[in-house]
Amino acid sequence: AQSVTQLDSQVPVFEEAPVELRCNYSSSVSVYLFWYVQYPNQGLQLLLKYLSGSTLVKGINGFEAEFNKSQTSFHLRKPSVHISDTAEYFCAVSDRGNFNKFYFGSGTKLNVKP
Amino acid sequence: KAGVTQTPRYLIKTRGQQVTLSCSPISGHRSVSWYQQTPGQGLQFLFEYFSETQRNKGNFPGRFSGRQFSNSRSEMNVSTLELGDSALYLCATSIDIGNTIYFGEGSWLTVV
Repeated sequence: AQSVTQLDSQVPVFEEAPVELRCNYSSSVSVYLFWYVQYPNQGLQLLLKYLSGSTLVKGINGFEAEFNKSQTSFHLRKPSVHISDTAEYFCAVSDRGNFNKFYFGSGTKLNVKP
Repeated sequence: KAGVTQTPRYLIKTRGQQVTLSCSPISGHRSVSWYQQTPGQGLQFLFEYFSETQRNKGNFPGRFSGRQFSNSRSEMNVSTLELGDSALYLCATSIDIGNTIYFGEGSWLTVV
């Protein structure tokens, strides 16, 4: 089975500063990796996904993530955050045999301060 | 294009009762998955349905069940509710395996 670890439960950052949200996974098989964002009282919205190919993945709202197989990581980055990026971010993993079965991390709350 | 629609959005039930939640997928989406989100356990996979058949399931007791209809709409049912079943229940749909998965806004269930 897979597991996902998001080490930082909360990340405070000032507006226009860069941010990195960390995600590490554990799996015995090849995985697919995802980042979702959840705004208060809403469902999850896909930011980006890694299925195969280039290890640097670009997503919506200026976010990007890099898949590192040797370190089993998929960290999310944004060079300059906005107040509107304040939300909770979830890293998720699935595998080829169970593509639609996601294992989610515990989430990281990003708090962007003015 | 309409998104994933979940009903009801909010409900309060008493311990021991049962509840049925509904999910209408985006048009053309045949895969419907359900997740439970709680502060303590986070997001946990319940089950996935595709073409009216359960294709995958998580580690939840048999009190949690689901079904999918021929129009791809899905329902999940929780019987003999417990306080710990209080959660946000999210529905996620996609065309099939390998396609982007879209989440609904969820159904907030409070068990008192």
